[in-house]
Amino acid sequence: GQQLNQSPQSMFIQEGEDVSMNCTSSSIFNTWLWYKQDPGEGPVLLIALYKAGELTSNGRLTAQFGITRKDSFLNISASIPSDVGIYFCAGPDSSYKLIFGSGTRLLVRP
Amino acid sequence: DARVTQTPRHKVTEMGQEVTMRCQPILGHNTVFWYRQTMMQGLELLAYFRNRAPLDDSGMPKDRFSAEMPDATLATLKIQPSEPRDSAVYFCASGNRGLGAFFGQGTRLTVV
Repeated sequence: GQQLNQSPQSMFIQEGEDVSMNCTSSSIFNTWLWYKQDPGEGPVLLIALYKAGELTSNGRLTAQFGITRKDSFLNISASIPSDVGIYFCAGPDSSYKLIFGSGTRLLVRP
Repeated sequence: DARVTQTPRHKVTEMGQEVTMRCQPILGHNTVFWYRQTMMQGLELLAYFRNRAPLDDSGMPKDRFSAEMPDATLATLKIQPSEPRDSAVYFCASGNRGLGAFFGQGTRLTVV
């Protein structure tokens, strides 16, 4: 089945730094989703992308739908301590089953 | 404020006991997913429903797990009998085709 490869697995950065993470697939996705999971909570949808080349922002977060439809990127600018958590990319396969990447664990040093 | 509601939030049970987890999806959503999350395996899809019909439950151990949607406002996931390796956080999520899914807060299950 379709799989999503997410990188990096983890990041430990200084507060104020920018962060970039990405997600790739061997097959095409028509929708890309980015979620954040705080400890003890369920994943929360941050950004949804529906068109190849689309660039969408949500506050300090910006995500892009790759032009090949096989990748997506999430950037966080000027990180703050509350950005700590696990970030997941996800996408629906051809039967709309929602597939998740393995996550990027972000730690922010104050 | 529409949200997915899961009960219970925490469950500790002895091996061999039946466990039932419940989920109330967001009104108007036609797709319901059950995921299991562990440190080792990440988010695993166990089963999902569209318009209350089961579409795929290939991620579930069939001999002990069952998932149902008795009506549009309730989805259940049962484990009988439970085993220590079932200890995990179980999430329910609901959505509409291709538009993303919204997660509940999860049920943290510990089987001792």
